[in-house]
Amino acid sequence: QVQLVQSGAEVKKPGASVKVSCKASGYTFTGYYMHWVRQAPGQGLEWMGWINPNSGGTNYAQKFQGWVTMTRDTSISTAYMELSRLRSDDTAVYYCARDNGSGSFYMDVWGKGTTVTVSS
Amino acid sequence: QSALTQPASVSGSPGQSITISCTGTSSDVGSYNLVSWYQQHPGKAPKLMIYEVSKRPSGVSNRFSGSKSGNTASLTISGLQAEDEADYYCCSYAGSSTSSGVFGGGTKLTVL
Repeated sequence: QVQLVQSGAEVKKPGASVKVSCKASGYTFTGYYMHWVRQAPGQGLEWMGWINPNSGGTNYAQKFQGWVTMTRDTSISTAYMELSRLRSDDTAVYYCARDNGSGSFYMDVWGKGTTVTVSS
Repeated sequence: QSALTQPASVSGSPGQSITISCTGTSSDVGSYNLVSWYQQHPGKAPKLMIYEVSKRPSGVSNRFSGSKSGNTASLTISGLQAEDEADYYCCSYAGSSTSSGVFGGGTKLTVL
């Protein structure tokens, strides 16, 4: 079945970087864009950006430009999201979510989320 | 790109209908029929409930419906059930140049 398996929880110090992985299975990885969405504790969902796994092309939310890097490794059907210069307010659950692939910009399959805690 | 505007909370009794609004701008909701809605229970990942304004994925109850007028999209849940109690988020495409996506702030639905 189609699923996205994310890497485990991370604890980082302010100023460090974190790289979250999202391994896809059950479908053709390069055929569907991958979104990254985060959710701070008690807060709403925040769209961070997406990557085209086929070309590697990306589109980042303006807030995250220069600060987030989304990459992929097609040989292992895995997408990555790296956030640098972490601050305490980057503490959140980070989700990867598959775009439906039809150009309709909706997320039909979600990973379970990766908790990133930023604390000194 | 500013977040779409949703009411913080709505409530209804079992069997009733409720509607959650999602207000954007002419740059996102108003320009594209690419609004989706997600349901999120505590501690769980979001689940797609509506896409392309009014389409339901396979497996989603027909009690859920969506619509749009101008810059405002709406999610209606009819025949409220206890398991509908959750947070609901709208999301809209906002163009291909930058910040292509934007979510609403979320609405907490309480089934009384």
